[in-house]
Amino acid sequence: EDQVTQSPEALRLQEGESSSLNCSYTVSGLRGLFWYRQDPGKGPEFLFTLYSAGEEKEKERLKATLTKKESFLHITAPKPEDSATYLCAVQARNSGNTPLVFGKGTRLSVIA
Amino acid sequence: ETGVTQTPRHLVMGMTNKKSLKCEQHLGHNAMYWYKQSAKKPLELMFVYSLEERVENNSVPSRFSPECPNSSHLFLHLHTLQPEDSALYLCASSQDPGRGEKLFFGSGTQLSVL
Repeated sequence: EDQVTQSPEALRLQEGESSSLNCSYTVSGLRGLFWYRQDPGKGPEFLFTLYSAGEEKEKERLKATLTKKESFLHITAPKPEDSATYLCAVQARNSGNTPLVFGKGTRLSVIA
Repeated sequence: ETGVTQTPRHLVMGMTNKKSLKCEQHLGHNAMYWYKQSAKKPLELMFVYSLEERVENNSVPSRFSPECPNSSHLFLHLHTLQPEDSALYLCASSQDPGRGEKLFFGSGTQLSVL
């Protein structure tokens, strides 16, 4: 069974304090790993897709990396507007029409 | 209007009521989804429609009944719900459900069952 575990459950950072969020996964052949951001009262918003180990993607203060067992979302010099819940999801190569398996998310708070 | 639109944003209903959630996508996608999001739990896939045909049903209780009249519209009909059904219900769309593509989500309907 495909599984996604995210840690920590919650993270509180001072503005400018860099850190990383972890997403560990078990999947029978990875088709893609996805990162989403979710603000309170809104649906998840797509950030990145990673397809193979060693791949990296960047967007502003965020950088996502992928190994064969986990992905990291690195946040460099975060700002209060980066506060949100970050969701990780995977899709298996032989998943048919089942789109994504999600983790529970990491709730990030950045304090000014 | 662009993206994925869900109505209503909030809904309070009794256990004997019947209500419907509506979703509309303006992205020209072929697949639409219903997800349930409860506190402290991962997003749970409920239904998948591809080109208006249901292709996935994850053992969802029959008190939830989906309807997809065309590729742009998706409904979730609710009847005789239980308090544990209180959650955020999210609609999403994508071009193809099986190709590892990103999902576009609506803002959700926050449902409270009394």
